[in-house]
Amino acid sequence: QITLKESGPTLVKPTQTLTLTCTFSGFSLTTNGVCVAWIRQPPGKALEWLGLIYWDDDSRYSPSLESRLTITKDTYNNQVVLTMTNMDPEDTATYYCAHAAGIAAAGYPFDSWGQGVLVTVSS
Amino acid sequence: DIQMTQSLSSLSASVGDRVTITCRASQSIRRSLNWYQQKPGKAPELLIFGASSLQGGVPSRFSGSGSETDFTLTVSGLQPEDFATYYCQQSYSLPYTFGQGTKVDIK
Repeated sequence: QITLKESGPTLVKPTQTLTLTCTFSGFSLTTNGVCVAWIRQPPGKALEWLGLIYWDDDSRYSPSLESRLTITKDTYNNQVVLTMTNMDPEDTATYYCAHAAGIAAAGYPFDSWGQGVLVTVSS
Repeated sequence: DIQMTQSLSSLSASVGDRVTITCRASQSIRRSLNWYQQKPGKAPELLIFGASSLQGGVPSRFSGSGSETDFTLTVSGLQPEDFATYYCQQSYSLPYTFGQGTKVDIK
């Protein structure tokens, strides 16, 4: 059974750096074809894909946020870390991490999600 | 970026209805289209991947169809637990974009 759980601060100030950790179990991020993604959802709004990290340590980001994002993995501790710099009130959202495994002709569907963590950006 | 458009932001339906939700991609994504269900305060759950493959544990009243740019999620016989918001998402090319969501509420 795959589980993921996000952890980190629920309140950050504008201009600060947000660091969120996704701790997972039930899979290995060294297995070929596996990735962990970060997705966020502002209150009452749609889902927004932020980025992901693949089993081979390759990370990819949303072009609109690429300059502010870093995603890394700690394979030993089964964790993925999201860092977002220069936080703004518009970054207030629930942040999710999700597991995906590549499927031929289907790409990377997110088949398991964490419960999410609501991050509020306010002074 | 590939834009995903769900033409209806909301629709009203009754228990037992057959409901169809559509999603259009701004360019061909072949069959790399996934559908998620999200209930208030909960994380999304994968329903359909690869346009028409049912995720394990998902009731068979959910089905998906389509290819290239036009896709459909159908719920045959809406149940009370199906009132939720549904999102499409393409996993054909990065960034993996989502549609704006379609909320299904009670008529």
